[in-house]
Amino acid sequence: GQNIDQPTEMTATEGAIVQINCTYQTSGFNGLFWYQQHAGEAPTFLSYNVLDGLEEKGRFSSFLSRSKGYSYLLLKELQMKDSASYLCAVLDSNYQLIWGAGTKLIIKP
Amino acid sequence: ETGVTQTPRHLVMGMTNKKSLKCEQHLGHNAMYWYKQSAKKPLELMFVYSLEERVENNSVPSRFSPECPNSSHLFLHLHTLQPEDSALYLCASSQDEPGTGANVLTFGAGSRLTVL
Repeated sequence: GQNIDQPTEMTATEGAIVQINCTYQTSGFNGLFWYQQHAGEAPTFLSYNVLDGLEEKGRFSSFLSRSKGYSYLLLKELQMKDSASYLCAVLDSNYQLIWGAGTKLIIKP
Repeated sequence: ETGVTQTPRHLVMGMTNKKSLKCEQHLGHNAMYWYKQSAKKPLELMFVYSLEERVENNSVPSRFSPECPNSSHLFLHLHTLQPEDSALYLCASSQDEPGTGANVLTFGAGSRLTVL
């Protein structure tokens, strides 16, 4: 079967750095997405990786290793507004999105 | 108004009621989706419409009935639901048709459904 694993919950301190991991086992691979979802709000697109390596967008970076079936989302200089759930999703060989259950990130002052 | 708008934001219904969820996208996108989001579970794709035609129905019980009257509007009609159907129902849209590439989804804020 197809599976996406990510931690259920993480806690970090304002101003610090946090890494949210995502491992996947899917039928084929056509890219990996990260979405951010604040409580009671719509998920919003953060990043898309299809090639190995690190892509940086301001305070957020996303890394992919296809050979290891692994990705992480790196958040730097954490702010209280970064408290949210982070959803990892993989596009399989049929271009179907396989979703993880999400990681709830709690930022403490 | 821009983006994807869902109404109502909250809905409480009994098991014998009939209600509908509405989704509207103002982005000119060609595909629209219904997802179910339950606590601590992955998003479950329910239905996909591409150019107003249903292209996917993921073994969803018949008590959920979708309708897509045009490319901007999507409905989810609900009847004789069960308490386990209580969840957040998310609507999304994408520029391109599903299965054609790495489509970025634009989501609405969801309709929180409680079935008593």
